Amino acid sequence: GAVVSQHPSWVICKSGTSVKIECRSLDFQATTMFWYRQFPKQSLMLMATSNEGSKATYEQGVEKDKFLINHASLTLSTLTVTSAHPEDSSFYICSASSSGSAYEQYFGPGTRLTVT
Amino acid sequence: SQQGEEDPQALSIQEGENATMNCSYKTSINNLQWYRQNSGRGLVHLILIRSNEREKHSGRLRVTLDTSKKSSSLLITASRAADTASYFCATDVVGSEKLVFGKGMKLTVNP
Repeated sequence: GAVVSQHPSWVICKSGTSVKIECRSLDFQATTMFWYRQFPKQSLMLMATSNEGSKATYEQGVEKDKFLINHASLTLSTLTVTSAHPEDSSFYICSASSSGSAYEQYFGPGTRLTVT
Repeated sequence: SQQGEEDPQALSIQEGENATMNCSYKTSINNLQWYRQNSGRGLVHLILIRSNEREKHSGRLRVTLDTSKKSSSLLITASRAADTASYFCATDVVGSEKLVFGKGMKLTVNP
């Protein structure tokens, strides 16, 4: 149980375009979802926390207008990278929690974004 | 140093040897977790140790926690080539509804 999927697993887009990444909890309801960003050979950095039906809470330094997060249902959250630039190229990982607790997170497999 | 900083950053050993990774943190925590990440993949949860626990075992994994020193260690015994991956500690900080990840340590187990 507690499976989280992400789609797509990898995507290549051109500068200036927008890309949407989906995060789904397959067998449980996720009251809270987290979005992380990971640069090569580095650790995960939390970008934002989203609760179903409410606005996401962004970490300091993360542009909310650039990284749009929507958590419209208890099983789906989306991250849209708007007007992508090469520096947005990264590995994006989502996680989901049924309890809302930070320690109980189930992680998705990640999405590799490359902006050319 | 950062919260949840692993030491060393990279470790290369031979199959069958033990691997020890250390993690230090700065603030009070509710619990500490260890994760594994294969290259380009998502995180796999390994083990969670609560702040009132000192040691925990799971198969070939042994985790210790010293809250007085704000440090934890992950020991993998009888390592296998399949253990080759990056390992991260993550702390659930008191008063914060988020996990803070360490820098990660890349383990290479040579067959």
